[in-house]
Amino acid sequence: QVHLQESGPGLVKPSETLSLTCTVSGGPINNYYWGWVRQPAGKGLEWIGRIYSSGRSNYNPSLKSRVTMSVDMSKKQFSLKLSSLTAADSAKYFCARLLTYLDEYYLDHWGQGTLVSVSS
Amino acid sequence: SDILTQPPSVSVAPGQTARITCAKNNIESKTVHWYQQRPGQAPVLVVYDVFARPSGIPERFSGSNSGNTATLTISGVEAGDEADYYCQVWETNSDHAIFGGGTKLTVL
Repeated sequence: QVHLQESGPGLVKPSETLSLTCTVSGGPINNYYWGWVRQPAGKGLEWIGRIYSSGRSNYNPSLKSRVTMSVDMSKKQFSLKLSSLTAADSAKYFCARLLTYLDEYYLDHWGQGTLVSVSS
Repeated sequence: SDILTQPPSVSVAPGQTARITCAKNNIESKTVHWYQQRPGQAPVLVVYDVFARPSGIPERFSGSNSGNTATLTISGVEAGDEADYYCQVWETNSDHAIFGGGTKLTVL
């Protein structure tokens, strides 16, 4: 059974860059897309972006200018960097695995999420 | 439009059938997926590719998609089904996921 675990700082200052890592266990990291989703407290899910095991990535157009994703196959990890943080970026951040049917993707395994607060 | 519209809340008595809708113009041309999120937990995929269920998801959960509305149907609702439910489609033009706003299912 694939297991995903997010890690990173719980508190980040405004204007700084958030760095989160997701570690994959129980299954391969290669030949899959891996994604990030966030959820502000009491609100719905927001797609951030995805990265393929080869490093190819796509980002939510609304966040594209601030997002960078990377993958480390040797460590079975993929990472998210979100720059120029504001309080509006405070949320629980989830990592997930993506599967596809007819080139349309869905998220079949999720990490438990990590809570990030942006505050000085 | 990139918007998926869900009712904020649905209430149903135990044993009855809950229907949660997800609306978008011509949504029947998309494959729709549904997630269950219990309080404080990560989302769990309950229906994918419109009507398929991952292993471990009861047959009580089913999906359909026609016209401008996709529907998640939960038959014989149990107290443990109380959760937020989100629909999701994939926007192929810009390669990103779109989520509905979520529906809170209350079991009376």
